[in-house]
Amino acid sequence: AQKITQTQPGMFVQEKEAVTLDCTYDTSDPSYGLFWYKQPSSGEMIFLIYQGSYDQQNATEGRYSLNFQKARKSANLVISASQLGDSAMYFCAMRDFILTGGGNKLTFGTGTQLKVEL
Amino acid sequence: EAQVTQNPRYLITVTGKKLTVTCSQNMNHEYMSWYRQDPGLGLRQIYYSMNVEVTDKGDVPEGYKVSRKEKRNFPLILESPSPNQTSLYFCASSPPGVDEQFFGPGTRLTVL
Repeated sequence: AQKITQTQPGMFVQEKEAVTLDCTYDTSDPSYGLFWYKQPSSGEMIFLIYQGSYDQQNATEGRYSLNFQKARKSANLVISASQLGDSAMYFCAMRDFILTGGGNKLTFGTGTQLKVEL
Repeated sequence: EAQVTQNPRYLITVTGKKLTVTCSQNMNHEYMSWYRQDPGLGLRQIYYSMNVEVTDKGDVPEGYKVSRKEKRNFPLILESPSPNQTSLYFCASSPPGVDEQFFGPGTRLTVL
C-alpha cells in the first residue's frame, strides 16, 4: 500500500532563513506524483508544488523547491527566505497512477506544523 | 471564478440524524473526491468519482455514501452520523491528466 511519512510534527524557523520539511514515501507503482500542500490556520488547502516520478529536474515554484531523491524515496520541501506568512501546516501527498487506475486518489502524510519566528 | 464550493461550512448535529454535505465545482472536472482530516492522521480519502455515475471507495468509506448524478456535484451523505465522524471534510476536484487537485474550503462537522 502507498504510504507517506512526515516525521516532523512541528518545526521552527527564523524569518528569512531556509527550512526543509521532510517527506518519505513508499509505493510499488513506478509511476506516481508527489505534492505539497499548505494549510494555514484558516483551514483551506493550498497547492504548492508537484513532482512527477519521471521528472528529471527537481520542481521549483518561486520560494518553494522539491528535493526529490528517488532512490531514497524522499521528496522534501525546501522553503527559502521564510516569511511570517509561511507559518502553517504542510502536507506531503502522493498519487499512484497505475494503482488508482489513473484516478485521483491522494495519500497524505500527517503533516508538519511550521512556525516562522522574527 | 473557478472554484469548489461546499455547504454547509460548519455543522453541529446529533447522532443518527441524516445529513448531506454538498460539493459543487464549476470547472467541468471529471474527478472529484471527499477527504476527512483528523489531528495526527492527515487527510484520508473517503470516496472518489472518476465521472458521472462512476464512484469508488477510498480508504475510510464506512458510514458514508456518495452519488454523482451530475458532473458538477458530488454530495457526501451520512445516513446515521456518529461522534467518530466529527471531522473536517474536504471536497476536491481535478481534470484528467492534471495532477493538482482543487480543494473546497472545508466543512467542519461535529456530531454530538
